[in-house]
Amino acid sequence: SQQGEEDPQALSIQEGENATMNCSYKTSINNLQWYRQNSGRGLVHLILIRSNEREKHSGRLRVTLDTSKKSSSLLITASRAADTASYFCASNGGGNKLTFGTGTQLKVEL
Amino acid sequence: DTEVTQTPKHLVMGMTNKKSLKCEQHMGHRAMYWYKQKAKKPPELMFVYSYEKLSINESVPSRFSPECPNSSLLNLHLHALQPEDSALYLCASSQDVSLAGTGELFFGEGSRLTVL
Repeated sequence: SQQGEEDPQALSIQEGENATMNCSYKTSINNLQWYRQNSGRGLVHLILIRSNEREKHSGRLRVTLDTSKKSSSLLITASRAADTASYFCASNGGGNKLTFGTGTQLKVEL
Repeated sequence: DTEVTQTPKHLVMGMTNKKSLKCEQHMGHRAMYWYKQKAKKPPELMFVYSYEKLSINESVPSRFSPECPNSSLLNLHLHALQPEDSALYLCASSQDVSLAGTGELFFGEGSRLTVL
């Protein structure tokens, strides 16, 4: 399987805290993307980082990429209850094929 | 609101039925995708169409038959399915691949399929 691994599988934090999720992938990539999925809904694209980038920010999101370790992390700062969702990394090794990691279920409690 | 529309939202079918899932986008995207997702699992790629031609088939059983009638529409024809095919079927679209690989995928809300 080309599927990447994410950890933790589940994360529970208090509102206002930061949440960090990690992703490892198996093959060389052109880019790595992060998606969010609310329960039973479609996925929503959060951020894309290219293989020649090391860090990228978007609002409360910060993504890092370490191609030598084949890993990425997603940091959500000042989390809110509305951030409760599953988060998936997805690696693109070229072409149209996007392979999703196993996902992290984030729960943000009031 | 998503710009990829999937119908129906829910479908229950018997193992001998023939049904279809439909997907539509009007963003001018030239790549369209079918993913299958089981509960608490990541989406798994099934098919990719690029410029209305099938470019990737991830060894999907022939009881799933994709069709791309035009650049805005993507269908998934279902026949003689098994109970283990019950899942959320997600359609997505993207600008076609560039030298930098594929960009952002836009997903529909999915069709939840139950096979009895």
